[in-house]
Amino acid sequence: NAGVTQTPKFRVLKTGQSMTLLCAQDMNHEYMYWYRQDPGMGLRLIHYSVGEGTTAKGEVPDGYNVSRLKKQNFLLGLESAAPSQTSVYFCASSLGQGFFYEQYFGPGTRLTVT
Amino acid sequence: DQQVKQNSPSLSVQEGRISILNCDYTNSMFDYFLWYKKYPAEGPTFLISISSIKDKNEDGRFTVFLNKSAKHLSLHIVPSQPGDSAVYFCAARQPYTGANSKLTFGKGITLSVRP
Repeated sequence: NAGVTQTPKFRVLKTGQSMTLLCAQDMNHEYMYWYRQDPGMGLRLIHYSVGEGTTAKGEVPDGYNVSRLKKQNFLLGLESAAPSQTSVYFCASSLGQGFFYEQYFGPGTRLTVT
Repeated sequence: DQQVKQNSPSLSVQEGRISILNCDYTNSMFDYFLWYKKYPAEGPTFLISISSIKDKNEDGRFTVFLNKSAKHLSLHIVPSQPGDSAVYFCAARQPYTGANSKLTFGKGITLSVRP
């Protein structure tokens, strides 16, 4: 079991460029999440999904879009990157409703926007 | 409005001693609390949790205490080991928020255990 994997691990973008971060999990989890972590801040939820084909906004969704076309994958897109989106991005997954609420995290993607 | 607060950004303890990491929350609707541990360049990993109907949960060297009236929880690590040096996040769950497992995280506490 690889658990939760994220691609890429590092990326540098110029302002206005676009990119997609890929998250994959092999635990058959229903719920998936995208967080960002900034210095001195906790993990802040960007978007989440409670199942294949569904997505919802989290705490800081502006400037990001997501898609969950397959149960095992959750994509985070930046259409026009801004320096304020420089951060470490974590994907997580959990079993879902009715189960223990532990979330399993990926190793993170460090994104720098110049 | 920060609903989960970890007011001390760092803590340093001697190996073998007790580490006490504190967390306060403001939302009385939170019903489940978790602690995550994070090493540099890695994702957070689950450490221990407690339901709001309990006041203590123990797992090996780790014990979490919950004081609902004070809206306060703490993580005790006894004895502390150098490998425990990491950032510790407190997280809380509010039920009926659309995603059953949606969590609110604190800013984290950096624990350093001195050999």
